[in-house]
Amino acid sequence: EADIYQTPRYLVIGTGKKITLECSQTMGHDKMYWYQQDPGMELHLIHYSYGVNSTEKGDLSSESTVSRIRTEHFPLTLESARPSHTSQYLCASSEVVSGANVLTFGAGSRLTVL
Amino acid sequence: GEDVEQSLFLSVREGDSSVINCTYTDSSSTYLYWYKQEPGAGLQLLTYIFSNMDMKQDQRLTVLLNKKDKHLSLRIADTQTGDSAIYFCAERASGTYKYIFGTGTRLKVLA
Repeated sequence: EADIYQTPRYLVIGTGKKITLECSQTMGHDKMYWYQQDPGMELHLIHYSYGVNSTEKGDLSSESTVSRIRTEHFPLTLESARPSHTSQYLCASSEVVSGANVLTFGAGSRLTVL
Repeated sequence: GEDVEQSLFLSVREGDSSVINCTYTDSSSTYLYWYKQEPGAGLQLLTYIFSNMDMKQDQRLTVLLNKKDKHLSLRIADTQTGDSAIYFCAERASGTYKYIFGTGTRLKVLA
């Protein structure tokens, strides 16, 4: 069962709309991540956070923004959606297990911008 | 920079073994990971291996690591139709908490 929740699972919106993708985890993890997964399956890190009030941009340039006001909550916002933002967005958090830093993923939010 | 490469597709018959290969570039990676993604879902951790190990076995899964060649493989014994999914190899960039994922290998198991 999922300990990291993403909503909405699917969203179809028009160009220019503002959207927020929600991500919550109940595991108390400090580190959280947003990945964008393109149709070719590859994952690209777009944002990450080491803890409350700490956010960094990832390797792939993104027009989205994130916030981390509470440990369990890491929402991603697009101020003005465009068709190029159509993608699958995956949220994850991580913890150390037997010395390895292990990611736990949400089920994803599939965004389509018309 | 860091890069992780995988072949895109693999097709096997039910009951056969599957071997998914991965090459990586960051020789300082401490851990290497295998994740599985089923249709419409996020990624699920399958297993990981510490860089000072050559092999790790976990039930039907065997991970082999050749650190000299920077080559990682995942063997699934007695592959079942439920194993059909996309498999991602990943390394954690040294000194950071950022992960580099491969392109994913789509495994199709034929009945």
